[in-house]
Amino acid sequence: DAGVIQSPRHEVTEMGQEVTLRCKPISGHDYLFWYRQTMMRGLELLIYFNNNVPIDDSGMPEDRFSAKMPNASFSTLKIQPSEPRDSAVYFCASSWGGGGDTQYFGPGTRLTVL
Amino acid sequence: EDQVTQSPEALRLQEGESSSLNCSYTVSGLRGLFWYRQDPGKGPEFLFTLYSAGEEKEKERLKATLTKKESFLHITAPKPEDSATYLCAVRDSGTYKYIFGTGTRLKVLA
Repeated sequence: DAGVIQSPRHEVTEMGQEVTLRCKPISGHDYLFWYRQTMMRGLELLIYFNNNVPIDDSGMPEDRFSAKMPNASFSTLKIQPSEPRDSAVYFCASSWGGGGDTQYFGPGTRLTVL
Repeated sequence: EDQVTQSPEALRLQEGESSSLNCSYTVSGLRGLFWYRQDPGKGPEFLFTLYSAGEEKEKERLKATLTKKESFLHITAPKPEDSATYLCAVRDSGTYKYIFGTGTRLKVLA
C-alpha cells in the first residue's frame, strides 16, 4: 500500500491567493482527518470525515477554510483567500473505524504564504 | 476541555542513557492514548495505543505505560536513530477527535 498521499509537498503563494491541498487516503479507510502543525500550537485537528461526510469542523479556524470529500479516495482542503498566518504544515491522516484507532499520516504539505 | 501536556519539551541523552518522557492528560472519558514518532519533514508515525490504566506496550527500546492521569514513554539504552519528536495524543470516548500534545524533541548523542 502506498500509504496516505498528499500533494503538493510544498506550496509557496502570495497573500490573497487561493490554495488547494489534496489528499488520497489509504484504500478501505473510512475516516479522514485534516491537521495543521505549527511550532507554537503543535498539531491541531481542523476537520474530520466519516464515509465522506464531514463530522466535526470545529477546528477550522475561519470561513476562509473549507474542506470537501467528494468520494472515498479523495479530499481537498481549500484556503481562500490565504494569509501569512496560514503558513504551516498541513497533514492528512486516515484510519479504519472497524480496526482500532490507528491513524496513518501523510507526508504533509508545507504551505508558505508571503 | 480535553487537554494533553508533554514534558520535557526537549531532551538530550547520551547513547545508552535511559530516560522517560511524560504525557499528562485531561479527558472526560478516555477512549485511547496514542504515542507517535515524528522525524523532521515527515508525518507522525504510529507507535502505541493504550486503552486502560495499568496497560503497557513495548517495541524494541520503547515501552509505554498508562495511569489514570498520565502516560510515560520509557526509552531504554537509546541509540542515535531514536532521535525524533515524540507526540502523545488522546481520544475522548464520545468522539473521533484526537487531541495532541506539543511533543518532546529527543536528541540522542553518539
